[in-house]
Amino acid sequence: DQQVKQNSPSLSVQEGRISILNCDYTNSMFDYFLWYKKYPAEGPTFLISISSIKDKNEDGRFTVFLNKSAKHLSLHIVPSQPGDSAVYFCAARRSSNTGKLIFGQGTTLQVKP
Amino acid sequence: DAGVIQSPRHEVTEMGQEVTLRCKPISGHNSLFWYRQTMMRGLELLIYFNNNVPIDDSGMPEDRFSAKMPNASFSTLKIQPSEPRDSAVYFCASSSGQGGSDTQYFGPGTRLTVL
Repeated sequence: DQQVKQNSPSLSVQEGRISILNCDYTNSMFDYFLWYKKYPAEGPTFLISISSIKDKNEDGRFTVFLNKSAKHLSLHIVPSQPGDSAVYFCAARRSSNTGKLIFGQGTTLQVKP
Repeated sequence: DAGVIQSPRHEVTEMGQEVTLRCKPISGHNSLFWYRQTMMRGLELLIYFNNNVPIDDSGMPEDRFSAKMPNASFSTLKIQPSEPRDSAVYFCASSSGQGGSDTQYFGPGTRLTVL
């Protein structure tokens, strides 16, 4: 039972353009969402998060959008840079169990120079 | 400032052998998490501790897996006996805050291969 889904295994964009990574979830009890970035041979690193009381959170080039009615969130990277090439994981959690993150399968982003 | 430290980074063992993975969380963090990443199941939480006490072990696959946290600066994940299907990358992460609610910081992982 995949509660958090990233349906696109990979995405390729040109440097300077926008990257949009998508994530869907099925559990309506999730109330906090996170994006992690992972480089090869390293552990995931936290990128940005959003609470279910918001629909947008921005941090520099990274913006996360949340559509609760559609149970969908997306990560926008503008402008994309070659150093952004990595695997991006979407994760979700419930306030009743804040330590338990449920991760999606990940999307590999390649930003071409 | 040191991040989460995991050892060994790579482990190759034969089926039936005992495997012990080690983790040192970031100093001052009171929650510790063990994850497993496989191609089939992605990144999944196995168990997490808060103040050295196991809070949620629902992700531990079976009795062959056990985890301990004897003190705030050390945890182990043990597999006995190991099987080829246990081959994966195992990550340890730590965080501060109540119930592990703050940002989780991951270690570099241990790549386990069971032959």
